[in-house]
Amino acid sequence: DTEVTQTPKHLVMGMTNKKSLKCEQHMGHRAMYWYKQKAKKPPELMFVYSYEKLSINESVPSRFSPECPNSSLLNLHLHALQPEDSALYLCASSQEGRTGPGTEAFFGQGTRLTVV
Amino acid sequence: LAKTTQPISMDSYEGQEVNITCSHNNIATNDYITWYQQFPSQGPRFIIQGYKTKVTNEVASLFIPADRKSSTLSLPRVSLSDTAVYYCLVGDPYSSASKIIFGSGTRLSIRP
Repeated sequence: DTEVTQTPKHLVMGMTNKKSLKCEQHMGHRAMYWYKQKAKKPPELMFVYSYEKLSINESVPSRFSPECPNSSLLNLHLHALQPEDSALYLCASSQEGRTGPGTEAFFGQGTRLTVV
Repeated sequence: LAKTTQPISMDSYEGQEVNITCSHNNIATNDYITWYQQFPSQGPRFIIQGYKTKVTNEVASLFIPADRKSSTLSLPRVSLSDTAVYYCLVGDPYSSASKIIFGSGTRLSIRP
């Protein structure tokens, strides 16, 4: 199984809503990532978890709150988002200890988020 | 983190060979060169990685000259389904607490 599964595929939320994005992998990977991608732009790194601990936060606003309940799951909790936060949110995973640019990372299909 | 430079876009036709070059003048000794492919509304997909000389898999070939300051991704006999954005990344795959950062990539359009 070389899949990273993200749910939901699409999400529309109001600016006062609280929602969560979910990501799951069963490849035994110990590094997991959240990226945000706007149209016609490259993916932007948001967070990196290594061995279930947050290792990198790319100065992401606190309205985005990541959580790694176990080695297979990664959540992104959303609260009080703005319309400009509308984007494709991608989850990825890679083998333990390997988070550098030469790493083979496996990406999910993403969650298309629209904030209204 | 080695900076990479790629063409913003390229066009080609079905059945042609496409070569995308990436410049990375400040590549470090431990760095590998990795290419990802991204189709619209999908996550990037790892396609090939190399350290030196030539690497080939079922999808592409990667040519790396001796000085390693550039690399060329070669896609043989492209089809419409190869239309995608191709990202070149350079870095140490065994580095922990380092970051997978994507540059602007090359938007490849294949025409019939």
